[in-house]
Amino acid sequence: EVQLLDSGGGLVQPGGSLRLSCAASGFTFRSYAMSWVRQVPGKGLEWVSTIRADGGLTYYADSVKGRFTISRDNSQSTMYLQMNSLRVEDTAVYYCAKEPIYCTTTTCYLDNWGQGTLVTVSS
Amino acid sequence: EIVLTQSPATLSLSPGERATLSCRASQSVSTSVAWYQQSPGRAPRLLIYDTSNRATGIPARFSGSGSGTDFTLTISSLEPEDFVVYYCQQRNNWPRLYTFGQGTKLEIK
Repeated sequence: EVQLLDSGGGLVQPGGSLRLSCAASGFTFRSYAMSWVRQVPGKGLEWVSTIRADGGLTYYADSVKGRFTISRDNSQSTMYLQMNSLRVEDTAVYYCAKEPIYCTTTTCYLDNWGQGTLVTVSS
Repeated sequence: EIVLTQSPATLSLSPGERATLSCRASQSVSTSVAWYQQSPGRAPRLLIYDTSNRATGIPARFSGSGSGTDFTLTISSLEPEDFVVYYCQQRNNWPRLYTFGQGTKLEIK
């Protein structure tokens, strides 16, 4: 059974940093691209970042580019999101999610999701 | 930039009725859409991928259809647990890899 366990959320002041983790099990982690998606409480879903299976390529939403860094440790089956220069508008529940094995540039989806971890940016 | 518009924003129906949820893309770039279901306080769950394929464990009352810029999620006979929020999603290249619709809330009439 695929399991994704998000952790690392919490309360941080504007300008601060936080590192989220996503521990994966139940599948061959090193073979799958992974993503982060966030959701402001009561609002919709917003894609944040994606990392290819081998970690060689990363993608970011414009809203976080230059502040967030996605990475992975395939030996530990864990993905990370380093969040720096946090802003009040980054407050959200952050979900890690897994892509299926076959994706194209115009056809893909997220087939398994973690339970989410809440990040609150406030003074 | 592709925008996905879901309609209606809120759909009021009764258990046993048929629900039809719409997702319209501003451009025909992606060839397919995925649908997710989200219950309060829970993570989204994949329902439909590649426009019309049910994900593992999803009941047959859920079906997807569409092409081009217009896609539909149909729930043939609503169960009490179906009254939650549904999102459509497409994969793109720029400026974001994944675009989500704003969601349709299914509420009990």
